[in-house]
Amino acid sequence: DAKTTQPPSMDCAEGRAANLPCNHSTISGNEYVYWYRQIHSQGPQYIIHGLKNNETNEMASLIITEDRKSSTLILPHATLRDTAVYYCIVRVVGGGSEKLVFGKGTKLTVNP
Amino acid sequence: GAVVSQHPSWVICKSGTSVKIECRSLDFQATTMFWYRQFPKQSLMLMATSNEGSKATYEQGVEKDKFLINHASLTLSTLTVTSAHPEDSSFYICSARVKRNEQFFGPGTRLTVL
Repeated sequence: DAKTTQPPSMDCAEGRAANLPCNHSTISGNEYVYWYRQIHSQGPQYIIHGLKNNETNEMASLIITEDRKSSTLILPHATLRDTAVYYCIVRVVGGGSEKLVFGKGTKLTVNP
Repeated sequence: GAVVSQHPSWVICKSGTSVKIECRSLDFQATTMFWYRQFPKQSLMLMATSNEGSKATYEQGVEKDKFLINHASLTLSTLTVTSAHPEDSSFYICSARVKRNEQFFGPGTRLTVL
C-alpha cells in the first residue's frame, strides 16, 4: 500500500494561503490522492481528491506533480475555522472495499 | 456533501456492558460503510468494512467477536462493543461510501467505559 508523508505541523496567518505538502512517492498509477481534514472532536471532512490533473473546488485546490510523487493542498485564504488536522491519503484498493487509510496528518494552525 | 449521522454522540457505560453505536446515511444509500477508532492525539484507525447484506471484513488485530458489526439495510450500520472495558474507551467514527471515489464521515461517537 502506498504511504504518505506530511509535516506534523504548520502555521499560517489568517487571510493568507495555506500550502500543505504531501509526499506519496510509492503511489501507483490507479491510486487517487485524497485530502480530508478533522476539526477537533469531529469526524473527518472531505476536501478534495485527484488522480493526475490539478483540481479545484469551493474549499481548496489540489496540485499534483507530474510524476505524481507529491501533491500540495492549497487553502487560498485561510480562516481561523480552517485550523484542523489535514490528512493526505492515497486510496487503497483491496478486495473491492476501497478503504481509506489515515496517516498522522498535518496539524494546521491558522493564527489571527 | 452527503450526510452521515451517528447515534449516540457520546456514551458512558460500566465495564462489562455492551454498547451499540448506529451509523446512518441520511440522504443516500450506502452499500459500504466503514468503522474507525481514534484514540486521543492519534490518527484514525480503520477497524472494519461493512457491506450491506454480508459479513463485515475486519482489519488485522481487530476482534470480530468483540466488535460486532451489522449492516442490515442500505442506510444503517451498527457497531456493538461487547463486554466493554476501559481500554475500549475511544472515539468511534463511521463513514459511508457514496460513489466509487467519495466517502463521507459521521460526526463520531465518544465512548467512555468506567
